[in-house]
Amino acid sequence: GENVEQHPSTLSVQEGDSAVIKCTYSDSASNYFPWYKQELGKGPQLIIDIRSNVGEKKDQRIAVTLNKTAKHFSLHITETQPEDSAVYFCAATRYSSASKIIFGSGTRLSIRP
Amino acid sequence: EAGVTQFPSHSVIEKGQTVTLRCDPISGHDNLYWYRRVMGKEIKFLLHFVKESKQDESGMPNNRFLAERTGGTYSTLKVQPAELEDSGVYFCASSQVFSYNSPLHFGNGTRLTVT
Repeated sequence: GENVEQHPSTLSVQEGDSAVIKCTYSDSASNYFPWYKQELGKGPQLIIDIRSNVGEKKDQRIAVTLNKTAKHFSLHITETQPEDSAVYFCAATRYSSASKIIFGSGTRLSIRP
Repeated sequence: EAGVTQFPSHSVIEKGQTVTLRCDPISGHDNLYWYRRVMGKEIKFLLHFVKESKQDESGMPNNRFLAERTGGTYSTLKVQPAELEDSGVYFCASSQVFSYNSPLHFGNGTRLTVT
């Protein structure tokens, strides 16, 4: 079935350094890729998304890239801060079935002071 | 605006018992979704309501799970009888319209532990 693989499962970086999380999707018809951040005790919250007709999107310190040919997409966080510590989920879906979002297994990001 | 609220936040039950989870979506959101995360794995889709109708329930694991949304407001998810593999975090989400770019607003989840 459709799946999204996410790596790494855990990531620890020094405050101020960059963090990169990578995902691969299996459904070639996927055309919308949201990223969610889940803080401790909270539900996932959308932080950025990208559509298949765009190769890169940036919002302040976070950016996402998409390689449709390879079916890879990545989240980049620059100048990491303590409040970036959380679990991050990549996801993929089709416009026609937006309710059925396929999530990755999550990356626990820790920022070392 | 109040967010999506879920109750209870935690539930510990024995195998074979029944548990009912509740979700109150954001007011005015016709679309309501249930997802769950088991054993630290991926978050998996369970089902989608549009108002009181089940739009897509293809993710429901088996007939021990029953979801309802009477009146198109809050929703309940009942597990009866619960099994060990049902342990996990159950998330509810809502959105105003059914569209890929209408963001899902998630609740804080219910952590279910079946012993």
